Amino acid sequence: DSGVTQTPKHLITATGQRVTLRCSPRSGDLSVYWYQQSLDQGLQFLIQYYNGEERAKGNILERFSAQQFPDLHSELNLSSLELGDSALYFCASSGTGHLIYGYTFGSGTRLTVV
Amino acid sequence: DQQVKQNSPSLSVQEGRISILNCDYTNSMFDYFLWYKKYPAEGPTFLISISSIKDKNEDGRFTVFLNKSAKHLSLHIVPSQPGDSAVYFCAALDRDDKIIFGKGTRLHILP
Repeated sequence: DSGVTQTPKHLITATGQRVTLRCSPRSGDLSVYWYQQSLDQGLQFLIQYYNGEERAKGNILERFSAQQFPDLHSELNLSSLELGDSALYFCASSGTGHLIYGYTFGSGTRLTVV
Repeated sequence: DQQVKQNSPSLSVQEGRISILNCDYTNSMFDYFLWYKKYPAEGPTFLISISSIKDKNEDGRFTVFLNKSAKHLSLHIVPSQPGDSAVYFCAALDRDDKIIFGKGTRLHILP
């Protein structure tokens, strides 16, 4: 158990629908990162939050949004879903200071759009 | 535009032999590199890292080598064990503390 909790583990939904993925960071970590891993693709950075504020944005589609709440958990909202959005979505967290050990990842949410 | 490239999607190595996983990067501003290991149905886990001020870092069976002039990293696993079968991601830390990952190399350790 890495300490980063992602729910749900699996999600199957239809095109055009909207889903919310949830992440609880490791205790004490203020930063949350969202990554997408599609077939044959590496881990693509989507967005970072630090203590409730958006810190950095990657290749995140306009149909996707995220937020980090006062208790530091984060949600990734995916709307108007397309078949191509099927992927593994990982959340990671980190503390302050130099990232000598990088981030701690959750076990991911597998999203299947049918 | 892949800033971190792992050109071998997969690699098969005999148990007990050395596994060498390669990685190239394009951004000369990267100054910290990491390797992550990923098993199916799990998230990536940190394996080993190296700062750009070093050219080698060793941790047990795992050694990472960095050649800054060639913008090349390699991960050596000696000796390879069955539990090493996994996907290995090479990654770099950018100036905003964002980790940029390669596409990964799937390592198969053969009995």
